[in-house]
Amino acid sequence: KAGVTQTPRYLIKTRGQQVTLSCSPISGHRSVSWYQQTPGQGLQFLFEYFSETQRNKGNFPGRFSGRQFSNSRSEMNVSTLELGDSALYLCASSLSPGGAQETQYFGPGTRLLVL
Amino acid sequence: AQSVTQPDIHITVSEGASLELRCNYSYGATPYLFWYVQSPGQGLQLLLKYFSGDTLVQGIKGFEAEFKRSQSSFNLRKPSVHWSDAAEYFCAVGKYNNNDMRFGAGTRLTVKP
Repeated sequence: KAGVTQTPRYLIKTRGQQVTLSCSPISGHRSVSWYQQTPGQGLQFLFEYFSETQRNKGNFPGRFSGRQFSNSRSEMNVSTLELGDSALYLCASSLSPGGAQETQYFGPGTRLLVL
Repeated sequence: AQSVTQPDIHITVSEGASLELRCNYSYGATPYLFWYVQSPGQGLQLLLKYFSGDTLVQGIKGFEAEFKRSQSSFNLRKPSVHWSDAAEYFCAVGKYNNNDMRFGAGTRLTVKP
């Protein structure tokens, strides 16, 4: 079974631009979560989607948004990019939003560099 | 709110030596605890998890962790480290009903030949 895939793997943008990252969960998984990883702040939860609905959201500004499609694929969007948005963005999928009882499987991440 | 502290930023051990990575958590209810490993340029791989029951949890790659409620700790151990274990290790605490996990800052493990 294929793992979580994220595209693109690397991305370079300039300040003020917007970016869309894509995540395809493991087949059969319906819950997708997004995390931001930076050297300074570590791993931080962005949001979680299940059945095309956002269930939880971390403490990030409204410039960060996401959505989930009927096939469980998810996208996250960051508008008006800032230098501090440079990070590794990780997507994780699980069978359902069962919380800690459901194992989350992580993709390799998309590394975003904002210049 | 739940939180995790990993006191050691970087640990170096010799190949074949034993390993213990420390993790302390803060959570008002029953914690759901995890250890993940991240190799350079890779995502996170789950090593083991604890929900309830036996406080000594076995994971993949020969790792184990022990939950100690009295010390709010969930330390990761391995009796004999291999060079391929060099990576960054993250402890995390989760909630029962959602996937919002809180991660520690990570411990980078270097293995000396």
